[in-house]
Amino acid sequence: GQNIDQPTEMTATEGAIVQINCTYQTSGFNGLFWYQQHAGEAPTFLSYNVLDGLEEKGRFSSFLSRSKGYSYLLLKELQMKDSASYLCAVLDSNYQLIWGAGTKLIIKP
Amino acid sequence: GAVVSQHPSWVICKSGTSVKIECRSLDFQATTMFWYRQFPKQSLMLMATSNEGSKATYEQGVEKDKFLINHASLTLSTLTVTSAHPEDSSFYICSATFPFSGREGPSTDTQYFGPGTRLTVL
Repeated sequence: GQNIDQPTEMTATEGAIVQINCTYQTSGFNGLFWYQQHAGEAPTFLSYNVLDGLEEKGRFSSFLSRSKGYSYLLLKELQMKDSASYLCAVLDSNYQLIWGAGTKLIIKP
Repeated sequence: GAVVSQHPSWVICKSGTSVKIECRSLDFQATTMFWYRQFPKQSLMLMATSNEGSKATYEQGVEKDKFLINHASLTLSTLTVTSAHPEDSSFYICSATFPFSGREGPSTDTQYFGPGTRLTVL
């Protein structure tokens, strides 16, 4: 079956760095997405990786290793507004998005 | 960037009534629109995939006669929850896609989400 694993919850301190991991087992791979979702709101697009390596975009970076079925989202200089759920999703061979359950990130002052 | 709107933002209705939710892509023509449902503290659940001018493709377990989807144009899709019941109370979110090219990789579709519609059935 298809499976996306990410931690349920993480806690970090304002100003610090946090890495949210995502491992996947899917039928085919056409890219991996990271989305941010604040409570009660729809997800917003953060990043897309289809080739191995690190993609940096401001305070957020996303890494992919296709051979390991692994990705991480790195958040630097954490701000209180970064408290949200972070969703990992993989586009499979049928171009269907397979979603992880999300990682709730709690930022403490 | 790509903007997707939904209307209404929230709706409260009586059991047995029908509710229509609109999803619009405001500044692009969406090749495909998706409808999701999300229960509290749970992940997004894909309900159906909608392509303009053709019938929607429903995920297993989703009743197509209960959740009617109409994709009338490249910028508008509607979801009608017919004869709603309290168990249909949920957060309904649509997304729309247009071609997106990754770094030196194959082109694919990034989904941009609407703000969601919170449905409460009494």
